[in-house]
Amino acid sequence: QVQLQESGPGLVKSSETLSLTCTVSGASINSSYWSWIRQPPGKGLEWIGYISYSGSTSYNPSLRSRLSISIDTSKNQFSLKLNSVTAADAAVYYCATDRNYLDYWGQGTLVTVSS
Amino acid sequence: EIVMTQSPATLSVSPGERATLSCRASQTVTSNLAWYQLKPGQAPRLLIYGASTRATGIPARFSGSGSGTEFTLTISSLQSEDIGLYFCQQYDQRPPWTFGQGTKVEIK
Repeated sequence: QVQLQESGPGLVKSSETLSLTCTVSGASINSSYWSWIRQPPGKGLEWIGYISYSGSTSYNPSLRSRLSISIDTSKNQFSLKLNSVTAADAAVYYCATDRNYLDYWGQGTLVTVSS
Repeated sequence: EIVMTQSPATLSVSPGERATLSCRASQTVTSNLAWYQLKPGQAPRLLIYGASTRATGIPARFSGSGSGTEFTLTISSLQSEDIGLYFCQQYDQRPPWTFGQGTKVEIK
């Protein structure tokens, strides 16, 4: 059974960098593509971007200028960095396997942005 | 980007009754459409992909239909454990993959 677990600070200061890691168990990170998705409070889901096992990426154009997704195959992990955060970046952040549809998800981690 | 629109925003259904959720795409996505269920504190769950294929372990009371721009998720006999938020997602064109705004299913 594939399991994903998000980790990282739950509180980030405005204008600073949000950093999250997703740890994959039950599958090799070399076996799929991997996405980040977020859900702001009371709002819908927003796809952030994905990374392949080889390190190629695709980002949401609305976030591309501030976003970086990387992969560490030795740790079976992939990570997200979002620069210059504002209150609009406060959300539950999810990681998921990406076979175009998103078949396995983590439970999500809440990130709050403080001023 | 492709805009996904879901209706209704909230659906109240009696236990054992049918629940019908709609999802419309701003342009054709052929059959590249998935449905997800979200519950607080739980990992989101893939229900349907390819517009009509149930994901592994999903009960038969969940079914998906449609193609092109109009899609439907049907819960044939609503159970108490089915309450939650439901989202559709197109994966025909990216970036970005896009989701609908969600339908909240509650027990009447």
